[in-house]
Amino acid sequence: DADVTQTPRNRITKTGKRIMLECSQTKGHDRMYWYRQDPGLGLRLIYYSFDVKDINKGEISDGYSVSRQAQAKFSLSLESAIPNQTALYFCATSEMLGDSEQFFGPGTRLTVL
Amino acid sequence: TQLLEQSPQFLSIQEGENLTVYCNSSSVFSSLQWYRQEPGEGPVLLVTVVTGGEVKKLKRLTFQFGDARKDSSLHITAAQPGDTGLYLCAGAGYDSGAGSYQLTFGKGTKLSVIP
Repeated sequence: DADVTQTPRNRITKTGKRIMLECSQTKGHDRMYWYRQDPGLGLRLIYYSFDVKDINKGEISDGYSVSRQAQAKFSLSLESAIPNQTALYFCATSEMLGDSEQFFGPGTRLTVL
Repeated sequence: TQLLEQSPQFLSIQEGENLTVYCNSSSVFSSLQWYRQEPGEGPVLLVTVVTGGEVKKLKRLTFQFGDARKDSSLHITAAQPGDTGLYLCAGAGYDSGAGSYQLTFGKGTKLSVIP
């Protein structure tokens, strides 16, 4: 079984809808991250969490919110989706050291019409 | 904000050719990681380089960290179709605003190896 799982894998939605992307991990890591990937722009950090009580904004947090329900679960919400949020979204985990290897989920392809 | 520039952005070569991908910054990093991402999957770590001037080899892939720890290169010898993918470098540096080490990703080099 995969160490980092994301659901759904693909989602098509309409402008203005609320969307939640979920991430679960079995690696026992405290740190979890949400990134979006766009062609030519690489990976950009949306939010990250050091533990259940610690949530931090990343480079591009506007229009997104997150919830760390447990050590193993970190969800990303788009309260009112807009077309320029169409992208590939990745969840990742790492050990406590910030320069540790990050383990990525398989990604969620989100299309906002 | 620490920036990492990767070049080239796209590279299409014939099987058996050699290639080099570059990752450059004006910032010093405590370490630098290289990831490979295949279509439909998340990035997977290939190697981490920590010491200035360090060279690491992974089969036909050779990774080098610059002496000043501001740049890195990935050289592939005799490329194979299985090397096709997106190669990402990521530098680790201390973010005083966040109060912790953070990874900054480059935009990636998309490699296609044609049989």
